[in-house]
Amino acid sequence: AQKVTQAQTEISVVEKEDVTLDCVYETRDTTYYLFWYKQPPSGELVFLIRRNSFDEQNEISGRYSWNFQKSTSSFNFTITASQVVDSAVYFCALRATDSWGKLQFGAGTQVVVTP
Amino acid sequence: DGGITQSPKYLFRKEGQNVTLSCEQNLNHDAMYWYRQDPGQGLRLIYYSQIVNDFQKGDIAEGYSVSREKKESFPLTVTSAQKNPTAFYLCASSINRGRVGYTFGSGTRLTVV
Repeated sequence: AQKVTQAQTEISVVEKEDVTLDCVYETRDTTYYLFWYKQPPSGELVFLIRRNSFDEQNEISGRYSWNFQKSTSSFNFTITASQVVDSAVYFCALRATDSWGKLQFGAGTQVVVTP
Repeated sequence: DGGITQSPKYLFRKEGQNVTLSCEQNLNHDAMYWYRQDPGQGLRLIYYSQIVNDFQKGDIAEGYSVSREKKESFPLTVTSAQKNPTAFYLCASSINRGRVGYTFGSGTRLTVV
C-alpha cells in the first residue's frame, strides 16, 4: 500500500522567512513518481514539481527548492524568502508504478505568510 | 486553450437527491480521475478511468457513480446513498497514466442543505 505523510498541519511565517514542508512516503515499488502541488484559496491544484524515484538530484527553481532522499523516503520542499502570495495549502503526492496512474495524496500543509 | 472544465463551481443539494458534477477535458488525455477533498484529509480518490467505457473504483466509491461514454467527459453522480456528500470535488486527467503529470480542474464545491 502507498502512503504519504505530511506531519505539519499548518506553518505560519512572517514574510521573507524560509519555510520547509516535510513529506515522507511509503511504497514497495522501486520505481515511482513524487509530486508537489499548491492549492491557493481558489481551490485549483497548481503543479510545482515531479520527481522520478531514480533521479535523486535536488532541484532549485527560483525561490523553490526540493530535497529528495530515497534513504529516508522523504521529499521535502522549501520556499525561500516567503511572500504573502505563497499562502496556500501544499500537497505532496505519490504515484507508484502499478497504480494505474492513481495519485496518493498527503493531508496537506497550510502555509500562512503574514506581512 | 487546453484544460479541464468543471461545472458548476458551487452546487447545493437537498438531502435525498442525486446530483451530477460535470468534468470535461480537451487535452486528449486518456485517463481521468475524481477526487474528494475534506478539510484536513487531503484528496481521496473516488473513481478513475483509463479508457472510454471503462472505469474503476477508488478508495471511497460508495455512494458515487460515474460514466465514461466519451474520452472528453467523465461526469460524477453523487447519489442519495452518499451519507456525507458535502465536500470539494476535483476532477483530473493525465496522459501516459500520470508518468508525465496531471491536470486538475478548478473544482466543484457541493453543499447539502
